[in-house]
Amino acid sequence: EDQVTQSPEALRLQEGESSSLNCSYTVSGLRGLFWYRQDPGKGPEFLFTLYSAGEEKEKERLKATLTKKESFLHITAPKPEDSATYLCAVQAGGSARQLTFGSGTQLTVLP
Amino acid sequence: DTAVSQTPKYLVTQMGNDKSIKCEQNLGHDTMYWYKQDSKKFLKIMFSYNNKELIINETVPNRFSPKSPDKAHLNLHINSLELGDSAVYFCASSQVGHSYEQYFGPGTRLTVT
Repeated sequence: EDQVTQSPEALRLQEGESSSLNCSYTVSGLRGLFWYRQDPGKGPEFLFTLYSAGEEKEKERLKATLTKKESFLHITAPKPEDSATYLCAVQAGGSARQLTFGSGTQLTVLP
Repeated sequence: DTAVSQTPKYLVTQMGNDKSIKCEQNLGHDTMYWYKQDSKKFLKIMFSYNNKELIINETVPNRFSPKSPDKAHLNLHINSLELGDSAVYFCASSQVGHSYEQYFGPGTRLTVT
């Protein structure tokens, strides 16, 4: 069974204080690892897809990296508007195409 | 333009009732999904569907059924609602063979009293 574990559950940062979120996974034949951002009362918003170990993707202050066992979401010099819950998900090979999500990291960036 | 839309946004109903949630996507995607997010914020797949294949998560009660009138719509019908069905339900869509990322709707908060 595919499993995704995210840590920490919650993270409070001061504006400008860089940090990383972790996503550990076990999956049979990784097709892709996905990062989403979810604001309160809204649906998950797609951020990145990573397909193979060693791959990195960047978007503004966010950078996602992938190894064979985990992924990191690095946040550089965060701003209050980066506050949200960040979700990690994996997709296994096969026809189902469904995503298995972790429970998320709730990030709060204080001004 | 909204890519994936759901109606209603909020749904409050009594135990035993039957209700439906509608989902529409204008992305031209060929696969749609329903997810349930519980009070602990865990998102769990319920169904994935395209015009050839319906895949049902084995833990989903058969009171839940997806109905797809066409490629752009996937509605969720729920019979004999129970208190434990209270959650936020998200619709999503993706295009096979194109990165596989899924795009989510805004969610429907279902409260069963």
